[in-house]
Amino acid sequence: GAVVSQHPSRVICKSGTSVKIECRSLDFQATTMFWYRQFPKKSLMLMATSNEGSKATYEQGVEKDKFLINHASLTLSTLTVTSAHPEDSSFYICSARDLHGNTEAFFGQGTRLTVV
Amino acid sequence: KNQVEQSPQSLIILEGKNCTLQCNYTVSPFSNLRWYKQDTGRGPVSLTIMTFSENTKSNGRYTATLDADTKQSSLHITASQLSDSASYICVVSAQAGTALIFGKGTTLSVSS
Repeated sequence: GAVVSQHPSRVICKSGTSVKIECRSLDFQATTMFWYRQFPKKSLMLMATSNEGSKATYEQGVEKDKFLINHASLTLSTLTVTSAHPEDSSFYICSARDLHGNTEAFFGQGTRLTVV
Repeated sequence: KNQVEQSPQSLIILEGKNCTLQCNYTVSPFSNLRWYKQDTGRGPVSLTIMTFSENTKSNGRYTATLDADTKQSSLHITASQLSDSASYICVVSAQAGTALIFGKGTTLSVSS
């Protein structure tokens, strides 16, 4: 089946630094990728929709200058957490849909970010 | 307002027993409904996906049902195993290409 690979799976960084998370669709082309954030024991919260070749669409309350999204190709989207703070510590998950858009979404393995 | 409600919030069962998780939604227009299993610290993994015309879909010991009239779905797990311990998330798509609407999930714990 289709695979979405997310890297890294875990990252620890110091406050004030930036962290980049990659989301790759390994065997299909994804025009749209979604970035989610998940707090412990909570549901996934959509942060932004990443569209290949255009600017990402951010959900209300999500700072676009804080969470930079780049979707430069049909198989890769990146999320950069800039000037990270401890409150940015969370579980970040990406998902991708294929070109048809109406088939199941495939999720990455998630990235556990800890800001110290 | 498009919403997905799941019940129960958490469930504890003995290994080998069956259980049923519920999902009610108010999403319109409806495209499809998915059940995902999410292990702690991992991304969600798809179990089933059903469209409007499908009533039942099975994936091994997992059987999902859908009643599009009452906007209800259930996920039945047969002969539970310890590895079934996870969060089960009901996700509804309003229409093709739009963002998914997530339920808060049911946390299932299977004990020996």
